[in-house]
Amino acid sequence: DAGVTQSPTHLIKTRGQHVTLRCSPISGHKSVSWYQQVLGQGPQFIFQYYEKEERGRGNFPDRFSARQFPNYSSELNVNALLLGDSALYLCASSPGQGVEKLFFGSGTQLSVL
Amino acid sequence: AQKVTQAQTEISVVEKEDVTLDCVYETRDTTYYLFWYKQPPSGELVFLIRRNSFDEQNEISGRYSWNFQKSTSSFNFTITASQVVDSAVYFCALSAWAGNNRKLIWGLGTSLAVNP
Repeated sequence: DAGVTQSPTHLIKTRGQHVTLRCSPISGHKSVSWYQQVLGQGPQFIFQYYEKEERGRGNFPDRFSARQFPNYSSELNVNALLLGDSALYLCASSPGQGVEKLFFGSGTQLSVL
Repeated sequence: AQKVTQAQTEISVVEKEDVTLDCVYETRDTTYYLFWYKQPPSGELVFLIRRNSFDEQNEISGRYSWNFQKSTSSFNFTITASQVVDSAVYFCALSAWAGNNRKLIWGLGTSLAVNP
């Protein structure tokens, strides 16, 4: 079975642009979470979606938004990119709503110039 | 406050040495979960273990072992007879309530280099 897949793997944008990151969870998993990991730090929670509804939101500005589709895949959108948005964006899926065990993708490395 | 502290930023050992990675946490929750994840250079976070707050039994899985002590709010991770493939960044994490759901609070990670 395929693991969590994220696309694209790398992305270069300029300040002010918009970006969409995509995530496909493990088959059968209904929850998707998004994390931002800045170099040298631990992941920071951005969003969790379960059964297509937002179930948790971290301390990120409104420029960050996400959604989950009927097939449980998810998109993370970031508007008006800032240099500080440069990071590894990780998607994680789990069977249920909790954080019992998260399965992570390899991430999307976003560079904002 | 909910917080995870991994005081060791970087550790370097020679292959076959034992190494312990420290994790200290803070939480006001009476029920909580602690985790260890491994992040190799490829970037993907790999789940290693989950421990709930009611289970203080130490756990051993092959060369890996974990020591959970509520009295000192610590959840330390030991690798016995380290190997080069163990080189990675290791994260300790705590599940905490955020609204009606739990989220993970992560430490800053410990970068482990195992040299041949």
